[in-house]
Amino acid sequence: EVQLVESGGGLVKPGGSLRLSCAASGFTFSNYSMNWVRQAPGKGLEWVSFISDSSGYIYYAASVKGRFTISRDNAMNSLYLQMNSLRAEDSAVYYCARDSPYCSSASRSTTCYDYWGQGTLVTVSS
Amino acid sequence: DIQMTQSPSSLSASVGDRITITCRASQSISRYLNWYQQKPGRAPRLLIYDASSLQSGVPSRFSGSGSGTDFTLTISSLQPEDVATYYCQQSYSSRPFGQGTKVEIK
Repeated sequence: EVQLVESGGGLVKPGGSLRLSCAASGFTFSNYSMNWVRQAPGKGLEWVSFISDSSGYIYYAASVKGRFTISRDNAMNSLYLQMNSLRAEDSAVYYCARDSPYCSSASRSTTCYDYWGQGTLVTVSS
Repeated sequence: DIQMTQSPSSLSASVGDRITITCRASQSISRYLNWYQQKPGRAPRLLIYDASSLQSGVPSRFSGSGSGTDFTLTISSLQPEDVATYYCQQSYSSRPFGQGTKVEIK
């Protein structure tokens, strides 16, 4: 059974840093591209970042570029999101999501997401 | 950036009704359009990909259609467990998601 389990969320002050993790199991993690998608309280979904299976391609939403860093450790079946210079508007539930091998895409940075974790809440507040 | 606009933003229908949600792209995205269901407090779930392909395990009452700029998600017979927010998402370029459509039971 495919499982994605996020951790590392919490309360952080504006300007602070946080590192999110996503532990994957039930599939060959190294064969799949992965993403972070966030959802502010009561709001819609926002794609944050993409990393290809071997980390050769990495993309970010404009809203986080230069502040967030996505990475992965295929030996540990883990995905990470290092978040620096956090702002109030970064407050959200952060989901890790697996790229589907079936849906088509016209852009390497966006496809569809067939498995999602349960999310981890990040709150940026003084 | 391509803008995705869903309508309506919310709807209320009776059990057994046929409902349709529309998603419009600001430019042609061919058939690079996917649909998700998100129940309260839960992660999103992929329902439809490539405009009309049903994701494995999704009930057949869900269907998708469209191409170019106009797409629809149809629930042929609304069930109580379908109460959720539905999002369209384009896999053509960045900033992919629509703003969501909240579906409730009347």
